[in-house]
Amino acid sequence: AQSVTQLGSHVSVSEGALVLLRCNYSSSVPPYLFWYVQYPNQGLQLLLKYTSAATLVKGINGFEAEFKKSETSFHLTKPSAHMSDAAEYFCVSSGYSTLTFGKGTMLLVSP
Amino acid sequence: DAGVIQSPRHEVTEMGQEVTLRCKPISGHDYLFWYRQTMMRGLELLIYFNNNVPIDDSGMPEDRFSAKMPNASFSTLKIQPSEPRDSAVYFCASTPEGGDTQYFGPGTRLTVL
Repeated sequence: AQSVTQLGSHVSVSEGALVLLRCNYSSSVPPYLFWYVQYPNQGLQLLLKYTSAATLVKGINGFEAEFKKSETSFHLTKPSAHMSDAAEYFCVSSGYSTLTFGKGTMLLVSP
Repeated sequence: DAGVIQSPRHEVTEMGQEVTLRCKPISGHDYLFWYRQTMMRGLELLIYFNNNVPIDDSGMPEDRFSAKMPNASFSTLKIQPSEPRDSAVYFCASTPEGGDTQYFGPGTRLTVL
């Protein structure tokens, strides 16, 4: 069975600082991995996805993630946080037709 | 494309009442998913359909919950009778055959008093 673990339910950064949201997956085969973002009172929006092509994946809004099989990780980064990045971020694993969601990490950005 | 459409966006009802949530998937998408999001349990898959046929309903909490997909462009999630613990945000998502990305609707926030 697949599982996804996000380290830290809340992450606080200052505007302009590096954003690092951690995700580790557990799967018997290399999965498809995604990061979704949920802004307040909205649905989930795809940030980026890894589907066994390039291990460094670039997404929208300046975010990127690197798939590291040796570490079973798929951490999300952004060099410089913006106030508009404040949201909840979900690391997601895909197996066949269904998704396995992490618990989510709330990113707080202070001026 | 209008994206996945859900209605209503907000629903407040009293315990014991029937609640019906609606979803229109993206045209041409063969898979439709219903999720529930709560603070305690996060995002949970309730049920999903492929070509209007329910494939896996193991996430449906109990018999009070039922879901239908009478055609490719419409699905409902019904709770009867509703209970306060059903209060949550319910999301619908869709994806095409062979697709690797699910597209989510804006959700329905349900409050059962």
